[in-house]
Amino acid sequence: QVQLQESGPGLLKPSETLSLSCTVSNYSIGSGYYWGWIRQSPRKGLEWIGSISHRGTTFYNPSLKSRVTVSLDTSKNQFSLKLTSVTAADSAVYYCATSDFYDSRIDYWGQGTLVTVSS
Amino acid sequence: EIVLTQSPGTLSLSPGERATLSCRASQNVRNNYLAWYQQKPGQAPRLLIYGASSRATGIPDRFSGSGSETDFTLTISRLEPEDFAIYYCQQYGRSPCSFGQGTKVDIK
Repeated sequence: QVQLQESGPGLLKPSETLSLSCTVSNYSIGSGYYWGWIRQSPRKGLEWIGSISHRGTTFYNPSLKSRVTVSLDTSKNQFSLKLTSVTAADSAVYYCATSDFYDSRIDYWGQGTLVTVSS
Repeated sequence: EIVLTQSPGTLSLSPGERATLSCRASQNVRNNYLAWYQQKPGQAPRLLIYGASSRATGIPDRFSGSGSETDFTLTISRLEPEDFAIYYCQQYGRSPCSFGQGTKVDIK
């Protein structure tokens, strides 16, 4: 079964850039599926951020599109999230995940990583 | 964006009882692309149901989904102790996908 694990800083200051990576096990990300990011906060609940296909085509939630980049590194079997100009509203648990289409049902989730934005 | 409204907010039941959870969409969900997830404290959500009524791999048959267009239901026929959790619906028929705010099933 596919396994995903997030990594990255847990504390950021306002205006900084959030950078997270997701390491995938038991599946080669260049072989198929879509690889994406979802976040969960008490204020907004679960929110799809964006996804990338195994070929590198990206798809973003329009509400975040101007600040988000998702990228693929097949040599490391990892994919990454960058979110610029963070504010306290971006504080959330961030999950990496995989699905059969870019914002489809989520078949596998990482365990999640808490990111807090505070001065 | 399609807004999903789940009800009730909290459902207090005893083990062995039947749970019925509702998810209502602000617009028709194309092709009944509606999923249900279970989330326990400190864990990621787990896919239970997709396509409104298909069980995901390894999900017990006490979980069933039904509904179409704007009204969907998750039923747990007999609650087991491990079923007490928060349940979310998600529509993926129109981009961006969206999630409901959740129904908490707790022990009465």
